[in-house]
Amino acid sequence: QQQVKQSPQSLIVQKGGISIINCAYENTAFDYFPWYQQFPGKGPALLIAIRPDVSEKKEGRFTISFNKSAKQFSLHIMDSQPGDSATYFCAASIGGSNYKLTFGKGTLLTVNP
Amino acid sequence: GAVVSQHPSWVICKSGTSVKIECRSLDFQATTMFWYRQFPKQSLMLMATSNEGSKATYEQGVEKDKFLINHASLTLSTLTVTSAHPEDSSFYICSANKVVGAETQYFGPGTRLLVL
Repeated sequence: QQQVKQSPQSLIVQKGGISIINCAYENTAFDYFPWYQQFPGKGPALLIAIRPDVSEKKEGRFTISFNKSAKQFSLHIMDSQPGDSATYFCAASIGGSNYKLTFGKGTLLTVNP
Repeated sequence: GAVVSQHPSWVICKSGTSVKIECRSLDFQATTMFWYRQFPKQSLMLMATSNEGSKATYEQGVEKDKFLINHASLTLSTLTVTSAHPEDSSFYICSANKVVGAETQYFGPGTRLLVL
């Protein structure tokens, strides 16, 4: 049973555009939702994370939007750059990052110059 | 900062041999470390949760005798793939949490294992 569903599987965006990646979860006990960025051959790096008590969190060009009633959250990358080309994973856990993360399947983002 | 290292970064071995992968938190202490497995162009699948000084907790479907995990100190966890076979070829990634501080799971750079 896949507990975190991520879409799209791949995304192509022009430089300067907005990249939007969506995730939906099933387990209402999840209370920590991070997004990770992974470059080929490297480990994931935390981009931004949100708790369900807020509907939006912004850090630089990255924004998480969270809809608790719909059990959905999304990552928006503003002014997308070629250097943002990577695989992005959403994840969820119960109790924060000290507990095991359940990952989405990932989105391969390509930003064309 | 919070840096997690893995050694080796690459390993090629013959079928039937055992391979040990180390995961170290370089500038912080971690009571909990996690081991993930990632196949090409796929997501990270949690294999086990490792707590310092106690036995690891394995996820359903992960063979405990096949993937031995030891968390001997607050900065070191090891994963040993015993009697490796070609189907064990994968990208193995560890992560670690600080004992205290920000709620962030820090990932290592991964270890690519190829079993011939």
